[in-house]
Amino acid sequence: DGGITQSPKYLFRKEGQNVTLSCEQNLNHDAMYWYRQDPGQGLRLIYYSQIVNDFQKGDIAEGYSVSREKKESFPLTVTSAQKNPTAFYLCASSILGTGEQYFGPGTRLTVT
Amino acid sequence: QKEVEQNSGPLSVPEGAIASLNCTYSDRGSQSFFWYRQYSGKSPELIMSIYSNGDKEDGRFTAQLNKASQYVSLLIRDSQPSDSATYLCAVNEANFGNEKLTFGTGTRLTIIP
Repeated sequence: DGGITQSPKYLFRKEGQNVTLSCEQNLNHDAMYWYRQDPGQGLRLIYYSQIVNDFQKGDIAEGYSVSREKKESFPLTVTSAQKNPTAFYLCASSILGTGEQYFGPGTRLTVT
Repeated sequence: QKEVEQNSGPLSVPEGAIASLNCTYSDRGSQSFFWYRQYSGKSPELIMSIYSNGDKEDGRFTAQLNKASQYVSLLIRDSQPSDSATYLCAVNEANFGNEKLTFGTGTRLTIIP
C-alpha cells in the first residue's frame, strides 16, 4: 500500500527532553512538509523539503530541527528549546508542480 | 504575511440541503487552491483542487474559484451527516520554486439529521 506513515500515534515526554517524530512515505513524492496544529486552529508550517539534503524553515521553525537524508524520510526533532511543544504534528508530501499535499495520520505529542 | 480567511463557524445545515463554505485569500499571485476535510482527531484529507476560474465538480462537491475577487468556495450538495467535519481552505504559494500551502483556520460544518 502506498502512503505516508507517522509514528508513534501518541507520544508523551517530560519537559527538557528532545523527541524525534518519524515520517515515511512510499509515494515517490519529492516534497515533504511538517505542520503543527493546535486545538481549534489551522495548520502552521514548521519545515519543508523539496529535495534530499535540503530543507527550508517554515513559519514556526524555532525549537525544531529536521533532516532529509533519504527521499522517503523526513524526521522532525522537537527540542527542549520549543516553548509549547504539546500539539498535533502532521507530516505531508507532494509531487512538485501540483501543490497537492497528502497527509499522514499525525502524531499527538504531549509534554508535561 | 499571506493570509487565507475562513468563517470559523460552526455552520449548521439540515441533511439533504446545500452547504456553502467560503474562503478569501490575500496573495493575488496564487495559482492553486485546495479544500481539505478534517474529521475530529484525524488528519486532513484532500477533497478538491482547483486551478482555473469557474466551477469544478466532483460528485456532490463543487469548488468555485474567482481570482479577480480572490475568493474560493466549496458547495456540498445533498449534505449527509458524514459530511460533518472541519473544512480547511489552502492556497499554494509558489515563489522562486518553493511550493508551500497557506491554510485557513477552517470552518466547522455540522449536518443536522
